[in-house]
Amino acid sequence: ETGVTQSPTHLIKTRGQQVTLRCSSQSGHNTVSWYQQALGQGPQFIFQYYREEENGRGNFPPRFSGLQFPNYSSELNVNALELDDSALYLCASSLPPGRITDTQYFGPGTRLTVL
Amino acid sequence: RKEVEQDPGPFNVPEGATVAFNCTYSNSASQSFFWYRQDCRKEPKLLMSVYSSGNEDGRFTAQLNRASQYISLLIRDSKLSDSATYLCVVNPIGNQFYFGTGTSLTVIP
Repeated sequence: ETGVTQSPTHLIKTRGQQVTLRCSSQSGHNTVSWYQQALGQGPQFIFQYYREEENGRGNFPPRFSGLQFPNYSSELNVNALELDDSALYLCASSLPPGRITDTQYFGPGTRLTVL
Repeated sequence: RKEVEQDPGPFNVPEGATVAFNCTYSNSASQSFFWYRQDCRKEPKLLMSVYSSGNEDGRFTAQLNRASQYISLLIRDSKLSDSATYLCVVNPIGNQFYFGTGTSLTVIP
């Protein structure tokens, strides 16, 4: 087990609603990245948080936002949910960015279904 | 062009077979390379990092060819438990991991 936890494990929402997903990083890891994995696809990078600030963002609209807290845990918020937001949302923790051998360890994910 | 492209698969091989997966990446400045394994409806788990000199971990061998921007994973003596999706991952120094779409492997008794 990686020590990365996510909640909830499953979630069902309807279009237009808002959702908050949570992640606790592995002990000693201060960097958290969020990914969206649609069925049959590889994970797609949403954004990364380091020292409580966004440190890089993928090709996702502003309705995807996040936070990181002083204890390094993180939240992913998605507003105005769309059907295409249905996916597995993965959180990964790692040591500070910029290390050549940086490795990310994933939590079990939150499976979001938008109806 | 996608950042990372993998063999489409699926691969169905008998137990004991040797199977190889390939992956190409587009960013020549990429510094870190990994293979992750993902079981059905589970999170990706690190299988191995890929180093310039190539590296081996038991039945698994990873190779990196920077000139061709190409990564490979070789699995020898396949076991039923090797059945999974294998994800090629590339990381330019910094923050963003780029994943391939994954290659599905089924090892048949």
